[in-house]
Amino acid sequence: AQSVTQLDSQVPVFEEAPVELRCNYSSSVSVYLFWYVQYPNQGLQLLLKYLSGSTLVKGINGFEAEFNKSQTSFHLRKPSVHISDTAEYFCAVSSATSGTYKYIFGTGTRLKVLA
Amino acid sequence: GAVVSQHPSWVICKSGTSVKIECRSLDFQATTMFWYRQFPKQSLMLMATSNEGSKATYEQGVEKDKFLINHASLTLSTLTVTSAHPEDSSFYICSAIWRAAGNTIYFGEGSWLTVV
Repeated sequence: AQSVTQLDSQVPVFEEAPVELRCNYSSSVSVYLFWYVQYPNQGLQLLLKYLSGSTLVKGINGFEAEFNKSQTSFHLRKPSVHISDTAEYFCAVSSATSGTYKYIFGTGTRLKVLA
Repeated sequence: GAVVSQHPSWVICKSGTSVKIECRSLDFQATTMFWYRQFPKQSLMLMATSNEGSKATYEQGVEKDKFLINHASLTLSTLTVTSAHPEDSSFYICSAIWRAAGNTIYFGEGSWLTVV
């Protein structure tokens, strides 16, 4: 079975400061990893994904994440945040072997960017 | 622009009635779609996998007779909440696999259901 843990339910950060949102996963098989952003009352938008290859993945809106297999982590980072980055961020994992594309989501981290 | 669309975005229905939510893939054919529900300030919970031309696969604990899923065409899956109760009030989100785009999964904008 797979699971995803997002340790921080809320992360307040000042505008133009860097931010890291943490994601750890557990799985007995190879995984694909994803970060999604959800703005209020909207669906999910894909920020970035790790399927294979380079462990440093760059996504939209200046976000990046690094896959660390030994630490089973996939933390999301942005060097300088904007007010518009305020949203809920979800980390997700799916099996790379089953081919079912079923996603397991973390509980989410609410990023609050302060002026 | 959106590649997966849900309709309606908001719906209010009376307790005991049924309500249908549509999920359409706009730019591609999707043989597989997924339905999630999300309670306020909580994560997404996978309800079922919708397969075109066959029965949906439900996750453990999801009542298949209450949440009817139909995937009659390659671009449309519907979720019907039957005999709705206030505890069914939630945000329902669908997603679809775009296989020709590297099996990328796109999510719909979500549908708010309020049962009164």
